[in-house]
Amino acid sequence: QMQLVQSGPEVKKPATSVKVSCETSGFTFTSSVMQWVRQARGQRLEWIGWIVVGSGNTNYAQKFQERVTITRDMSTSTAYMELSSLRSEDTAVYFCAACTTTCSAGMDVWGQGTTVIVSS
Amino acid sequence: QSVLTQPPSASGTPGQRVTISCSGSSSNIGDNWVHWYQHLPGTAPKLLIYRNNQRPSGVPDRFSGSRSGTSASLAISGLRSEDEADYYCAAWDDSLRGWVFGGGTKVTVL
Repeated sequence: QMQLVQSGPEVKKPATSVKVSCETSGFTFTSSVMQWVRQARGQRLEWIGWIVVGSGNTNYAQKFQERVTITRDMSTSTAYMELSSLRSEDTAVYFCAACTTTCSAGMDVWGQGTTVIVSS
Repeated sequence: QSVLTQPPSASGTPGQRVTISCSGSSSNIGDNWVHWYQHLPGTAPKLLIYRNNQRPSGVPDRFSGSRSGTSASLAISGLRSEDEADYYCAAWDDSLRGWVFGGGTKVTVL
C-alpha cells in the first residue's frame, strides 16, 4: 500500500538547520508531487512547499522562501525538507504528503509526522 | 493573509448528523477545488474528500462534501465514536500561490 515514512524527532538550537526525510513506497514516486506541511501546537496546518518529483521543480510558500529547500532522491524514492535559520517559532510537527496522481485530487497519502523542537 | 475559517468544534450523539462549514474567498474556495482531511493527533492525516465532494476509495459514504460559492461543508451522517477527530478543509489559493488550510474542527461524539 502507499506509504510515507518520515525520519525521527529532532531537537535543534536556534540559528541551525534541520533536514527531514520522507521515504515513499507503494506508488510511482517519479510521477508524484511531494508536499511539506507543518503544524505548531494548537495551530492550523501550514503549507511549506512542494517538489514535482519528475522535473525537480519546486514551489515554496512566501513565508519560507528564503529558508527552505525541498529536494528528492529518485534512487531511494525519498523526499527531503531542509529548513535553515531555525527559531523557536519553527517548533512544530512536520508532515510530508504526496499527490500521487494529481494535486487537484488532494494530498492522498501522508507521513506520520516528524517533531522538530527548536530550543536553546 | 487568506485563510479558511472553520468552527473550532462540533459534536453530536451516535447516529446523528454533523455538519462542518469552511468559509473562504474568491481566490481559494471560489475558484478551486476543496479537499477535506481527517486527523487524529499523533497519526498521519487522511484525505477524506477531494474535489469538493469525491470520496477516495475506502472512505465510507457517511462522509459527504459540498461547495457553494466561497464556502464548503463536510457532513458526517450516522456519527460513530471512531469519527472523533480533527477535520481540516483545504484549497489552493490563487493570490498566495499556495495551499491554505482551515483552522480545523474538533468533532466530539457525546
